[in-house]
Amino acid sequence: GQNIDQPTEMTATEGAIVQINCTYQTSGFNGLFWYQQHAGEAPTFLSYNVLDGLEEKGRFSSFLSRSKGYSYLLLKELQMKDSASYLCAVSSNTGFQKLVFGTGTRLLVSP
Amino acid sequence: KAGVTQTPRYLIKTRGQQVTLSCSPISGHRSVSWYQQTPGQGLQFLFEYFSETQRNKGNFPGRFSGRQFSNSRSEMNVSTLELGDSALYLCASSLGQSSGANVLTFGAGSRLTVL
Repeated sequence: GQNIDQPTEMTATEGAIVQINCTYQTSGFNGLFWYQQHAGEAPTFLSYNVLDGLEEKGRFSSFLSRSKGYSYLLLKELQMKDSASYLCAVSSNTGFQKLVFGTGTRLLVSP
Repeated sequence: KAGVTQTPRYLIKTRGQQVTLSCSPISGHRSVSWYQQTPGQGLQFLFEYFSETQRNKGNFPGRFSGRQFSNSRSEMNVSTLELGDSALYLCASSLGQSSGANVLTFGAGSRLTVL
């Protein structure tokens, strides 16, 4: 089967660093995506990893280890506007457009 | 450029009725995917259309169907609605490439409530 696991909820304070983990078991692997979704809004693309290693994009970085079926999203210098759900999704070999999503991690950033 | 547009944004139906949701993708995007989002299950893939053909299908019953038109606009239909069909239905468009990072751009969704 296909399974994506990520913590349900995390809390952090403004200015801090937070790491959101994601583990996956899928039939084949064609890349891992992270999306951000604010309450009542559409998910928006944050990052894509297909090779092992770290991808950095401003305050956000994403890491992938294919051998461990593991990824994390690192958010630095947290801001209040980062309070949102973060969705981990894997593209398996059953179809590039058919993403398998985790249930999402709700991040609450407090002052 | 305009984003992904979904209509209607909110709708209320009763059990047994049917519903049609519409999605207009970003100009130039030929792939349209549909996802169901519920609090307990997260986003679950329904189906994907590319050039008017269903290319991928998720594990939903036959009551869920869709189609894509020549201008890439897509509709999804749910017949014989059940209470459990209450959810946010998200449409996403992409270029539909068969390799590389196929980034999905999501619409704001259609929130369906079944009473």
